[in-house]
Formats: sequence, C-alpha cells, structure tokens
Amino acid sequence: DTGVSQDPRHKITKRGQNVTFRCDPISEHNRLYWYRQTLGQGPEFLTYFQNEAQLEKSRLLSDRFSAERPKGSFSTLEIQRTEQGDSAMYLCASSLAGTGSFNEKLFFGSGTQLSVL
Amino acid sequence: RKEVEQDPGPFNVPEGATVAFNCTYSNSASQSFFWYRQDCRKEPKLLMSVYSSGNEDGRFTAQLNRASQYISLLIRDSKLSDSATYLCVVKNSSASKIIFGSGTRLSIRP
Repeated sequence: DTGVSQDPRHKITKRGQNVTFRCDPISEHNRLYWYRQTLGQGPEFLTYFQNEAQLEKSRLLSDRFSAERPKGSFSTLEIQRTEQGDSAMYLCASSLAGTGSFNEKLFFGSGTQLSVL
Repeated sequence: RKEVEQDPGPFNVPEGATVAFNCTYSNSASQSFFWYRQDCRKEPKLLMSVYSSGNEDGRFTAQLNRASQYISLLIRDSKLSDSATYLCVVKNSSASKIIFGSGTRLSIRP
C-alpha cells in the first residue's frame, strides 16, 4: 500500500501525558498537512509543511502542539500535557503541489483517534 | 465568521431525487475550490474540483459564483451509495493552506 499511513490508529492516554503521532506521506509528495476532526465537524487545519519547511500553523493551536518534518518525508505531531479537549481524530494528508499550483489534491491517511481520559 | 460555511443538514432524500448543497466562503481572494466526500468513519476523499465556468462529472455538477462567494454541488438521480458527508474546501492561493467546511450530511433512503 503506497498511500498515506498514520501510526498509531488509536491512542488512549491520561490527561497531562504527552503523545506523539507519526505520518508517512505518499513518497513523492512535497506537501504534508495535519488536521483535527471531531464528531460532526469538518477537518480543522492545524499546520502544513512544504518539504521540511513548516509554512503555516493555525493560530488556534496552543504551544502544547508541535509538528516536525525533519527530512521532508515523514512527519510527527506531538501534543504535550494533553487535555480532554484534545480528544479527536488527527488526520494527515499529503499532496504534490508545484509552484503556482491551485489544483492541489489531498490524499488522507486513516487518522489517529486520540482519547484523553 | 468561519472561512467556509455549510448547512450541516442532514438532507434526507429518496433514491432518484436531485439534491443540491451550497457553501459560502469569506475570502473574496480565494482561488481554488473543491468538494470532498467523507463516508462514516473514513477519511475524506476528493470528489471534484470546482472550476469558474462550472463543471460536471457524471451525475455531479459543481458551480462557482464569485460575486456572491458561494459554491454549489448538485447530485442528480441520487443513489443509496451517495449517502455521505460532503465537505466544501477552499484554497486561497497556490501557497496557502487548504480549508474545509464543517460538511453537509446527506442520507439517501430507498
């Protein structure tokens, strides 16, 4: 399977613990996005990378959230000192976007479901 | 105000009916528009891009109205398999993030 893969599929943690999620994009894709989705809502933008550069981070995102894409391939999303409000599905998506590209198609992974107790 | 707004529905229509959804966006400079489909407990998948002149893909027709800043999706001859959440998606420029609406739930009944 050469699609976007995310690990783990499910994570249960206690409030106050740190968690880290991994995303492996489609290999030739240069952009990688992180979204968060709760029941009945659409995916909420968190951050995105072009190669290894983090181009934008949501203003709604607290300092407890950090993401990296060290070699422009896989990415990690870390949440420190988790809170119950962090419980959600965390989705990763990748795309191949050229300069001036408007028709950018996102391919999503199956997500990591986080439950904070 | 949200950047992309959709009627959450649910829309509950009989098989074979025609159904339409609208979506409004707040940034008049937005450049690219898409509809994604999300099945229950699955990831979103691209349904179609929306072009300025409007475009059709089988039973699906997408329209863009830049003056009023809305996008529409029309589904003709609806099938049971069309039951899903339809997400309106906007991209402001080639280098900008991709923003999703909250989705419109569609349920097709036999």
